[in-house]
Amino acid sequence: GESVGLHLPTLSVQEGDNSIINCAYSNSASDYFIWYKQESGKGPQFIIDIRSNMDKRQGQRVTVLLNKTVKHLSLQIAATQPGDSAVYFCAENQAGTALIFGKGTTLSVSS
Amino acid sequence: ETGVTQSPTHLIKTRGQQVTLRCSSQSGHNTVSWYQQALGQGPQFIFQYYREEENGRGNFPPRFSGLQFPNYSSELNVNALELDDSALYLCASSLVGSGDEKLFFGSGTQLSVL
Repeated sequence: GESVGLHLPTLSVQEGDNSIINCAYSNSASDYFIWYKQESGKGPQFIIDIRSNMDKRQGQRVTVLLNKTVKHLSLQIAATQPGDSAVYFCAENQAGTALIFGKGTTLSVSS
Repeated sequence: ETGVTQSPTHLIKTRGQQVTLRCSSQSGHNTVSWYQQALGQGPQFIFQYYREEENGRGNFPPRFSGLQFPNYSSELNVNALELDDSALYLCASSLVGSGDEKLFFGSGTQLSVL
């Protein structure tokens, strides 16, 4: 089965709202996590990453939170814009070689 | 744009045929990974190449094989194509040994097997 998964397959928000996309992982030995954004017809695009020795990391309009106690990862997007509409994947790194991806959450932003 | 380029962008094959997909890594990267993405799913790891040798493999049969060349470009070969091989094939490059495991993906090759 999937070792990384997302709680919701779809998320709809209004432009300007904050978005929160959640992800649960199953391997407590994973030490590196990444969020990717994939637009239609394109490959996954790196958004932000976090290592297991951190709880929070911020980028431009995005924040990733890691809760190792419950094996939960979230991506927060501030002031969501129509250009943020895409499928978002979390991925975990095991053994330093393969990224294990979840199924993705489709974010729809309406103006 | 990531600097990872893949060709062709689209391909149609029939069951039983063989296919070769190509990838050029981002400049300065030494490692290439291949992923298969079925419709509506997340990418699944096929294998990774480092220094022209396979350096990790996912749950894919031996008819999926690859090559990495001295210039770090790569090929994915699939023999005896099956209908379920229809998917988006993604190539990603990274720089092993830099302490940064970020993968940078190309736009993929959409393979349809009829």
